[in-house]
Amino acid sequence: DAMVIQNPRYQVTQFGKPVTLSCSQTLNHNVMYWYQQKSSQAPKLLFHYYDKDFNNEADTPDNFQSRRPNTSFCFLDIRSPGLGDAAMYLCATSREAGGPRDTQYFGPGTRLTVL
Amino acid sequence: GQQVMQIPQYQHVQEGEDFTTYCNSSTTLSNIQWYKQRPGGHPVFLIQLVKSGEVKKQKRLTFQFGEAKKNSSLHITATQTTDVGTYFCAGIAAGNKLTFGGGTRVLVKP
Repeated sequence: DAMVIQNPRYQVTQFGKPVTLSCSQTLNHNVMYWYQQKSSQAPKLLFHYYDKDFNNEADTPDNFQSRRPNTSFCFLDIRSPGLGDAAMYLCATSREAGGPRDTQYFGPGTRLTVL
Repeated sequence: GQQVMQIPQYQHVQEGEDFTTYCNSSTTLSNIQWYKQRPGGHPVFLIQLVKSGEVKKQKRLTFQFGEAKKNSSLHITATQTTDVGTYFCAGIAAGNKLTFGGGTRVLVKP
């Protein structure tokens, strides 16, 4: 059974047109993360939620926003996608943040194309 | 801030041979994790090391955590084509978030 689900798997948008990516989990984990991964690079953390507490990375552009309406769902909103935002977006969850219980379970990712 | 470096960035290995990839942190870690990402896939958790000098094995994969808890290694014996992918180490310093290394991309020559 899928534990971390991302929709859609592939998303094509136009330059400047807002887009929302979705992530859901069946693990009941406290923490949900959004990563951006470009080709041949490591995942880059954008932000994470510990329960309802939002934690933004210092270098995450304002163009990227997130919502977590409940434990199971988390959304990534890109308000005005640029060509440089084309990437794989990975959602991950963990039981806790920091420490041995921070092993992360990744979803399959959404590949975003910006035209 | 905390930095995690991996070497080599690319590893070309003949099928059947052994190789080792290394992970080094700028700070002492409370634990280190290893993930594997197949081409076109997503990172999958492999293992976590917590104790100084800890060694864990998974079939042909041997993971080691350094005595100073600032470095780690992954050794693969008798490499198979199924080992193709990128191996990421990721470390946690006390109280901080998980920081990924740049990854070692493994290519296997049949």
